Amino acid sequence: KNEVEQSPQNLTAQEGEFITINCSYSVGISALHWLQQHPGGGIVSLFMLSSGKKKHGRLIATINIQEKHSSLHITASHPRDSAVYICATPGVQGAQKLVFGQGTRLTINP
Amino acid sequence: GAVVSQHPSRVICKSGTSVKIECRSLDFQATTMFWYRQFPKQSLMLMATSNEGSKATYEQGVEKDKFLINHASLTLSTLTVTSAHPEDSSFYICSAEAGTGVYEQYFGPGTRLTVT
Repeated sequence: KNEVEQSPQNLTAQEGEFITINCSYSVGISALHWLQQHPGGGIVSLFMLSSGKKKHGRLIATINIQEKHSSLHITASHPRDSAVYICATPGVQGAQKLVFGQGTRLTINP
Repeated sequence: GAVVSQHPSRVICKSGTSVKIECRSLDFQATTMFWYRQFPKQSLMLMATSNEGSKATYEQGVEKDKFLINHASLTLSTLTVTSAHPEDSSFYICSAEAGTGVYEQYFGPGTRLTVT
């Protein structure tokens, strides 16, 4: 079963800083999810990616399948980016069930 | 992108009553839907997987008679918490798989259940 590790667990930064959140997993998979969960609890799917890089606004996600590693970057961070960011991968190759990282709590101070 | 909705977003009920939570895929057909629960400061825990027209597959430790799942159509799955107790208070989240790719799961915004 896949083990998913995120780092850091908590991150506090000042508005405008460039943010990087990392996700490593143990079993080779073909795709990975990045999710955002706001303090109210609602979950937003940010990215699903299987190779290379995806960009949406100020968010960039990269994945290296060979190294079993993905990163989520936020440029020009803003207090509204404060949330928990979660990566998730299939438990085993080809499976539907996802295994979730423990989440990274990001706080952006004005 | 694909949108999944949940209703209600918040519900408060009395102990012993039943509560139904709906999960809808708004702009795609979902062959598979997943139900998760999340306790405070913890990660999502998969409760069950439901495929349209068939019985749900429950994860170990999840009581199928307490958490009734119905996936009657390709756009709607429901989770009914029967005879709710305060320990059932949690955040319940669904996700839906579009069926166009194994990993294309889209998450609903979640439902916060409080049992008093």
